[in-house]
Amino acid sequence: EPEVTQTPSHQVTQMGQEVILRCVPISNHLYFYWYRQILGQKVEFLVSFYNNEISEKSEIFDDQFSVERPDGSNFTLKIRSTKLEDSAMYFCASSPPDRGTGELFFGEGSRLTVL
Amino acid sequence: AQTVTQSQPEMSVQEAETVTLSCTYDTSESDYYLFWYKQPPSRQMILVIRQEAYKQQNATENRFSVNFQKAAKSFSLKISDSQLGDAAMYFCAYRNAGNMLTFGGGTRLMVKP
Repeated sequence: EPEVTQTPSHQVTQMGQEVILRCVPISNHLYFYWYRQILGQKVEFLVSFYNNEISEKSEIFDDQFSVERPDGSNFTLKIRSTKLEDSAMYFCASSPPDRGTGELFFGEGSRLTVL
Repeated sequence: AQTVTQSQPEMSVQEAETVTLSCTYDTSESDYYLFWYKQPPSRQMILVIRQEAYKQQNATENRFSVNFQKAAKSFSLKISDSQLGDAAMYFCAYRNAGNMLTFGGGTRLMVKP
């Protein structure tokens, strides 16, 4: 069964460093998302992406964040200058071109630890 | 903006018993989807069950079923014959006509042997 894959599974970085989290969505999906979950808290929406541009973003997704689909298969989330509060689990998700079952398909997450 | 509320931070159930997790949501839309996701310690989000708002019949997936009350904006999850592997965080989620999924705060389910 096709699945969303994310790399790395865990990254440790120093405050102020740039981080890129990578995702490979399911191949025929056209909508892509990043969500964040700080330890012990709810899952929060960051951004959605469609047709090579951001379609929606939350107030969390400030100028330090950017997304890109560099090569037609990968979908990346970049954090330019990480802060301690960026430590979280980051989930990538994708959904098909029609609404279908309405489901978003999630990857296994990338745990980011900022020291 | 849509909000999803899970009023039970933690629930506990005896193995083989039945437990119900509550969820309410706020929306002015008539067309939407509702989901329950399970998050085990591995942290992956696993879809448990989905419900389309236009369907009156409550969704069922094996031991999992929902009680969808559209007028009351309530969407509870019932787990029958609870198993140790059901222990996890459970998130209720709402998806509108767009593509954004909004999650509730989660309910931690503990299953006692």
